[in-house]
Amino acid sequence: DSGVTQTPKHLITATGQRVTLRCSPRSGDLSVYWYQQSLDQGLQFLIQYYNGEERAKGNILERFSAQQFPDLHSELNLSSLELGDSALYFCASSVSREREGRTDTQYFGPGTRLTVL
Amino acid sequence: GDSVTQMEGPVTLSEEAFLTINCTYTATGYPSLFWYVQYPGEGLQLLLKATKADDKGSNKGFEATYRKETTSFHLEKGSVQVSDSAVYFCALSSRDDKIIFGKGTRLHILP
Repeated sequence: DSGVTQTPKHLITATGQRVTLRCSPRSGDLSVYWYQQSLDQGLQFLIQYYNGEERAKGNILERFSAQQFPDLHSELNLSSLELGDSALYFCASSVSREREGRTDTQYFGPGTRLTVL
Repeated sequence: GDSVTQMEGPVTLSEEAFLTINCTYTATGYPSLFWYVQYPGEGLQLLLKATKADDKGSNKGFEATYRKETTSFHLEKGSVQVSDSAVYFCALSSRDDKIIFGKGTRLHILP
């Protein structure tokens, strides 16, 4: 158990819909990362938040957005869903104290499997 | 930009065989290097890591040594078990605090 929790575990929805995925980081971790894992694209970094603020952006579509709340949990919002958005979405967290100047180990949650029909 | 290249799978071995999964990287500066493992139906778990040149990471019988001169971080295990069947990802930490993953290598161990 990594200490990172994600809900829901499975999500089935239809094209055009909007869903929200939730992540709670490990206690004490300030950074949250979102990844998409699909068969054809592999593991893709989407976005990172650090202590409530967006820190880094990867291959995230404009239809997708995320936020990190004061209690450090994060939500990934996916809208206007398409068939190709079906994938495993992982959240990871790390300490990432800026003064340390190095990337800490990321600890991954169990993922949310999204199926768009 | 920074990148990680690892050998393509699947890799199929018999139980108790020696395992090597090759990983090379391209990066500016001195990244930390990681191996993550993903068991069927689960998320990624950190297997081992090394933070500077010549460091050796080890865990559960797996080892990898940070080789700056060859920009490599090959994963090895002396005697694999059926329970090691999983997908293995090599990764590095980039200067802008991202983790760059390789495409993953699927490992099948036959009893």
